[in-house]
Amino acid sequence: AQSVTQLGSHVSVSEGALVLLRCNYSSSVPPYLFWYVQYPNQGLQLLLKYTSAATLVKGINGFEAEFKKSETSFHLTKPSAHMSDAAEYFCAVSDRTGGDSSYKLIFGSGTRLLVRP
Amino acid sequence: DAGITQSPRHKVTETGTPVTLRCHQTENHRYMYWYRQDPGHGLRLIHYSYGVKDTDKGEVSDGYSVSRSKTEDFLLTLESATSSQTSVYFCAISDWGSYYEQYFGPGTRLTVT
Repeated sequence: AQSVTQLGSHVSVSEGALVLLRCNYSSSVPPYLFWYVQYPNQGLQLLLKYTSAATLVKGINGFEAEFKKSETSFHLTKPSAHMSDAAEYFCAVSDRTGGDSSYKLIFGSGTRLLVRP
Repeated sequence: DAGITQSPRHKVTETGTPVTLRCHQTENHRYMYWYRQDPGHGLRLIHYSYGVKDTDKGEVSDGYSVSRSKTEDFLLTLESATSSQTSVYFCAISDWGSYYEQYFGPGTRLTVT
């Protein structure tokens, strides 16, 4: 079964510092991978996705993520944090293990990003 | 933003009462999903639909049922609400040809007293 692990339920950075949110997955087949962001009292919004094209994926709001097959990782980064980046971030993997079940996503437990002034 | 609405947005109900949450989409997407979000658990799939009248269970389906009689509407019913079903419920949609990325509604906050 596929799974997603997000290391660190909370990450705190200073404004202007590098943001690094970690995501590791387990999958027996090449996955599709996604990062979502959730602002308070809102639904999830797609930040970026990996679909086996380029391994470095650029998303909205200056975020990017790199797919590393050897490390089974898909960490999310942003060079310089902004106060508006404070939110909860979810990594997700598509379930491609059984027939046409790619339409199901498996989510990590989330990482809350705090940005200090 | 994808055209997804959820109703109601907030609801307080008593233990043992039935509750129905509605998800409505204007995107004509094939797949629809119901998740619940609880602290420390991320999002957990309750039920999903892969077409009109075609539904299946997710990982936390006990105590929930769903129906989809039209492409645009996906209903989630709690037959007899319990306090453990207090949560935030999200609807999502996806479609062919987009790597199944999911688009989410604004959520329904349900409190069972």
